[in-house]
Amino acid sequence: GAGVSQSPRYKVAKRGQDVALRCDPISGHVSLFWYQQALGQGPEFLTYFQNEAQLDKSGLPSDRFFAERPEGSVSTLKIQRTQQEDSAVYLCASRVDGELFFGEGSRLTVL
Amino acid sequence: AQSVSQHNHHVILSEAASLELGCNYSYGGTVNLFWYVQYPGQHLQLLLKYFSGDPLVKGIKGFEAEFIKSKFSFNLRKPSVQWSDTAEYFCAVNKDTDKLIFGTGTRLQVFP
Repeated sequence: GAGVSQSPRYKVAKRGQDVALRCDPISGHVSLFWYQQALGQGPEFLTYFQNEAQLDKSGLPSDRFFAERPEGSVSTLKIQRTQQEDSAVYLCASRVDGELFFGEGSRLTVL
Repeated sequence: AQSVSQHNHHVILSEAASLELGCNYSYGGTVNLFWYVQYPGQHLQLLLKYFSGDPLVKGIKGFEAEFIKSKFSFNLRKPSVQWSDTAEYFCAVNKDTDKLIFGTGTRLQVFP
């Protein structure tokens, strides 16, 4: 596709459930980023891949958060045992020439 | 802590007014600087970027930004705003690493 595609766009989970958020980057983009954006805040870095290698996961808030990109294209962000504080928009971006191209995000609401 | 600060959280203007949104960062040395915009219901998109060279950068839709190294600032400007500029604006910086650090954003409302 022409842009970064994320699914689902909206996800409601009960506290304690596991969720998986998918990102399909722009074809050929080597670098892929995940960000978390809480209401009224700017995006906060979570993790970064170059191809299938996860080069930086310093922003993942806890060991309940896990990201993978096994074939160097599609990436999945998994959140285990969701908590209310995990409610946010999760943004995926791919990069070329220093510019990040963002998807529309996955809005997670944990009840 | 190293950070990106946007001091204007919410700006309200009438059409044709001039706009300046502040952005300051606390990183020393060489940095790359960006402004992103998020229109209602849309994804974040790049307005302009500065890597090196002329510190006055021109972006899309008539926006420009000036990098002032001595002030650690990268303020966004537009001489005459339009109702369609209503959006949230984010300043972002990266230095040495691949991750982009964002400010908290400025919500701009333009009234006809």
